[in-house]
Amino acid sequence: DAKTTQPNSMESNEEEPVHLPCNHSTISGTDYIHWYRQLPSQGPEYVIHGLTSNVNNRMASLAIAEDRKSSTLILHRATLRDAAVYYCIPRGNAGKSTFGDGTTLTVKP
Amino acid sequence: DTEVTQTPKHLVMGMTNKKSLKCEQHMGHRAMYWYKQKAKKPPELMFVYSYEKLSINESVPSRFSPECPNSSLLNLHLHALQPEDSALYLCASSQGARAGAVVELFFGEGSRLTVL
Repeated sequence: DAKTTQPNSMESNEEEPVHLPCNHSTISGTDYIHWYRQLPSQGPEYVIHGLTSNVNNRMASLAIAEDRKSSTLILHRATLRDAAVYYCIPRGNAGKSTFGDGTTLTVKP
Repeated sequence: DTEVTQTPKHLVMGMTNKKSLKCEQHMGHRAMYWYKQKAKKPPELMFVYSYEKLSINESVPSRFSPECPNSSLLNLHLHALQPEDSALYLCASSQGARAGAVVELFFGEGSRLTVL
């Protein structure tokens, strides 16, 4: 499994953009990069995934470096409900998802 | 219906008890997963069932015994647990694991287990 490195914690002000980085330098060529988040007292929930190109959905954007060794999850306007632990997960065809330590995002009003 | 339902939400058991955790989904998913999560730690994969067959066992002690009776149900049978097994147990499902890298995991809210 590819190892990931994420900041332990980040803070953001409400209504401002947040950029959550992830390093995955040992990612294989066929691994997709998935992002999940876990709100307090809930199970993880899917946010977004991508392979090489940048991706957008209603929750977030995912920017993937050209060499695929890092990616950045972008929340365009953070809300208090976005306070969660965010996990970046390289995922291959074996069906395994190995969670790293993640980034705890605090959103200040 | 996009829910993964886990029961019970809370379970307290002694070290000599036998109990089971249950997970159910009705999204037509053919892969189901058990994760264990200790406080302030990330989820750790325990088992993966793909098309009702055990495909991944992450060297979990035999006191945890998974069972997949059909494509909608996943059980985790617990016997002779230790206090250090106290944790949040999360179930997830996805389209068949053969779809591999692109499938989205859907998680339940978890069953919080306390072993006395």
